[in-house]
Amino acid sequence: DTEVTQTPKHLVMGMTNKKSLKCEQHMGHRAMYWYKQKAKKPPELMFVYSYEKLSINESVPSRFSPECPNSSLLNLHLHALQPEDSALYLCASSLQGVGVNTEAFFGQGTRLTVV
Amino acid sequence: AQSVTQLGSHVSVSEGALVLLRCNYSSSVPPYLFWYVQYPNQGLQLLLKYTSAATLVKGINGFEAEFKKSETSFHLTKPSAHMSDAAEYFCAVSPGGSYIPTFGRGTSLIVHP
Repeated sequence: DTEVTQTPKHLVMGMTNKKSLKCEQHMGHRAMYWYKQKAKKPPELMFVYSYEKLSINESVPSRFSPECPNSSLLNLHLHALQPEDSALYLCASSLQGVGVNTEAFFGQGTRLTVV
Repeated sequence: AQSVTQLGSHVSVSEGALVLLRCNYSSSVPPYLFWYVQYPNQGLQLLLKYTSAATLVKGINGFEAEFKKSETSFHLTKPSAHMSDAAEYFCAVSPGGSYIPTFGRGTSLIVHP
């Protein structure tokens, strides 16, 4: 199994809503990531979890709240978002550490629209 | 610090023609280099990777890339373009194989019939 599964595929939410994005992998990867991608732009790193602990937060606004309940799951909780937060949110995972098999595997993304 | 520069935001080729997408890297340590492809409204799929073994790397879908240290380049090629190759292509670098890649801005490949 070399898949990273993200749900939902599409999400429309109002600015006062609370929603969550989910990500799951069963490859034994201990590093998991959230990226944000705007149209025609490269993915921008938001958060990195390493062994279920938050290791990198790229100065992301607090309206985005990540959670890693266990080594296979990664959530992104959303609250009071702005229209400019509309984007494709990508989850990725990789083996922890340095080595030849540390490439990131990406999910298909959640297309988020904030109205 | 490491970075990649992708020359050309758009590359247009005819079906059956050679595909050449350019990537130059900057890294203070031996880099690991990657090419990813992204189809519309999809995630990123790894095409190939360089991890300091062979300098000519073969990937999926007929793509290959050559690591040239003297030119700090890792250009992606395919001998004959197919319509299905139309997508966004991202070059990425991670220093010494550490796990967080840094992406280039992307190159959109357009394939004409």
